[in-house]
Amino acid sequence: GAGVSQSPSNKVTEKGKDVELRCDPISGHTALYWYRQSLGQGLEFLIYFQGNSAPDKSGLPSDRFSAERTGGSVSTLTIQRTQQEDSAVYLCASSSVQETQYFGPGTRLLVL
Amino acid sequence: GESVGLHLPTLSVQEGDNSIINCAYSNSASDYFIWYKQESGKGPQFIIDIRSNMDKRQGQRVTVLLNKTVKHLSLQIAATQPGDSAVYFCAERPGGGYNKLIFGAGTRLAVHP
Repeated sequence: GAGVSQSPSNKVTEKGKDVELRCDPISGHTALYWYRQSLGQGLEFLIYFQGNSAPDKSGLPSDRFSAERTGGSVSTLTIQRTQQEDSAVYLCASSSVQETQYFGPGTRLLVL
Repeated sequence: GESVGLHLPTLSVQEGDNSIINCAYSNSASDYFIWYKQESGKGPQFIIDIRSNMDKRQGQRVTVLLNKTVKHLSLQIAATQPGDSAVYFCAERPGGGYNKLIFGAGTRLAVHP
């Protein structure tokens, strides 16, 4: 079946601009996660959505980062006033409750 | 604090040999552990997982071992193939209702013919 999809696959933006990254989870998965991976590093947790519960935002690095999940499916991660240190691969994963997280291919963000 | 680390940043093996990738974790309350494989330019791919009430789990050519006494996790790959070349990440779930995963920095596995 279809896996997690993310768009765009690559995004180049200028410092100070806002960006929106999209994630389409696996159909039927109730949990959705965003992670960030800097060059040559492991993954850093950002935010987690589970059903209609309040999201776990404990990993968001600053108030410039926000995410929403509409209709319990698609999610958008928004970064406002981008900075060069925001350059990274942003990965989305989905899962059934308490089960294995499956990742999408990621969005490679470059802030010039 | 919570952390997951790896003993070796790079592992080089000959094709056909067995590979062992090690990982240390610090959170004794973690209830679930998972290994991912990441090839260049791709997202992490699930390999195998294990719950804290187990000490060994086998898959196809892969085995995960969990030693809770010393907080150590390992991934064994049998008869390593060139297609196994990638970066391998271990991750732990802290438990206590938290579903986020805490990842290590990764180990690069290089398989030579």
